[in-house]
Amino acid sequence: LAKTTQPISMDSYEGQEVNITCSHNNIATNDYITWYQQFPSQGPRFIIQGYKTKVTNEVASLFIPADRKSSTLSLPRVSLSDTAVYYCLARTSNYQLIWGAGTKLIIKP
Amino acid sequence: EPEVTQTPSHQVTQMGQEVILRCVPISNHLYFYWYRQILGQKVEFLVSFYNNEISEKSEIFDDQFSVERPDGSNFTLKIRSTKLEDSAMYFCASSALLSRDSNQPQHFGDGTRLSIL
Repeated sequence: LAKTTQPISMDSYEGQEVNITCSHNNIATNDYITWYQQFPSQGPRFIIQGYKTKVTNEVASLFIPADRKSSTLSLPRVSLSDTAVYYCLARTSNYQLIWGAGTKLIIKP
Repeated sequence: EPEVTQTPSHQVTQMGQEVILRCVPISNHLYFYWYRQILGQKVEFLVSFYNNEISEKSEIFDDQFSVERPDGSNFTLKIRSTKLEDSAMYFCASSALLSRDSNQPQHFGDGTRLSIL
């Protein structure tokens, strides 16, 4: 069964680029890597997902090396509103999301 | 943007009672899910539902729990004989039909906070 490991917490400052790296164990060849953001008292919100190499959307980039043993979420020029918990998840072929403990990101002024 | 809506936002129930948590998934989605999150802990998968039947469930989803899609819009989670340890946030999610090469994520509601007294 797939498992993800990521730092428990990170601090950064407004305007900086933040990179959160997640390591994956036992990722199947057809597993996607998905990142979600969660604010207090809200449901998780999809940020980005990828299978390999680099994926970019309007809010983030996701880098997945060829061995797919890790992935890095990159948030460009963070603001205070990016303070949240970020989850790296493996998604199995039957669509179940494997949740880890998440990374609590705190952005300071 | 379409949303998953959950009601009520907060449910307080006496231990031993039954509760029904309600969800309205995004209208053209076909897969439905329930998750729970105990305060301060990680999100835990409960069950997935497709084509009017359970497609997968976790060890948490025992005989105390059941899910139903009673009509074309609602998706419900019933918890019978509630226990103190059932207190948690319960999240509903939905997704469109997925294939390996698609990029359609699960969309979550903002949850129902269940408090068992």
